[in-house]
Amino acid sequence: QSALTQPASVSGSPGQSIAISCTGTSSDIGAYNNVSWYQQHPGKAPKLMIYDVTNRPSGVSDRFSGSKSGNTASLTISGLQAEDEADYYCSSCVDTSTLDVLFGGGTKVTVL
Amino acid sequence: EVQLVESGGGLVQPGGSLRLSCAASRFSFSKYDMHWVRQGKGKGLEWVSGIGTVGDTFYSDSVKGRFTISRDNAKNSLYLQMHSLRAEDSALYYCARGSYCGDGDCFRIYHYVYWGQGTPVTVSS
Repeated sequence: QSALTQPASVSGSPGQSIAISCTGTSSDIGAYNNVSWYQQHPGKAPKLMIYDVTNRPSGVSDRFSGSKSGNTASLTISGLQAEDEADYYCSSCVDTSTLDVLFGGGTKVTVL
Repeated sequence: EVQLVESGGGLVQPGGSLRLSCAASRFSFSKYDMHWVRQGKGKGLEWVSGIGTVGDTFYSDSVKGRFTISRDNAKNSLYLQMHSLRAEDSALYYCARGSYCGDGDCFRIYHYVYWGQGTPVTVSS
């Protein structure tokens, strides 16, 4: 199964809002509400930012929000801050009868 | 706080084998699905394998038939036995905690709150 499709890079100025898209198919993103988003700083393990499309784990800033329409999910970062500069990955369930997960290729967010 | 510590990575020749371990602590290991996720240098995340609490196993197409995931609940440990290694298997291998399955029910999730720090695998001659 091919990776979910994300833009290679997205940039924005401090205080702005940016959105990262994650496009799949009717067999993954379109079929399940199990889209997650991870933030990864260099040399660090991924950190869960959004799960089940729209939910934020405890401790994650409310500047991060998720949504989904059809086969495409999106992560929006509002009030962009320097510390938001990182790689972001989406993921989705592909079959609820298995444990399989499909990741996106990742998006580098640059704060200008 | 949940702790996951991977070990066993290293340099191996193409066609060789390696066994990774993940030591889990500070949670009821036997009641959770566990996963391996890898990341090639400068590349994205790739789900590799998962194992359920009853020992059911799942693999990505890229490793099926070459890798075997297993767990030892008595030792709170997760393993990944890798055979017929290829250059493209070179990556940092993370273990991650998955769904909670206890009291006869499974609350299945497809996201990972807890990750280890990874163990590096390099396949090269």
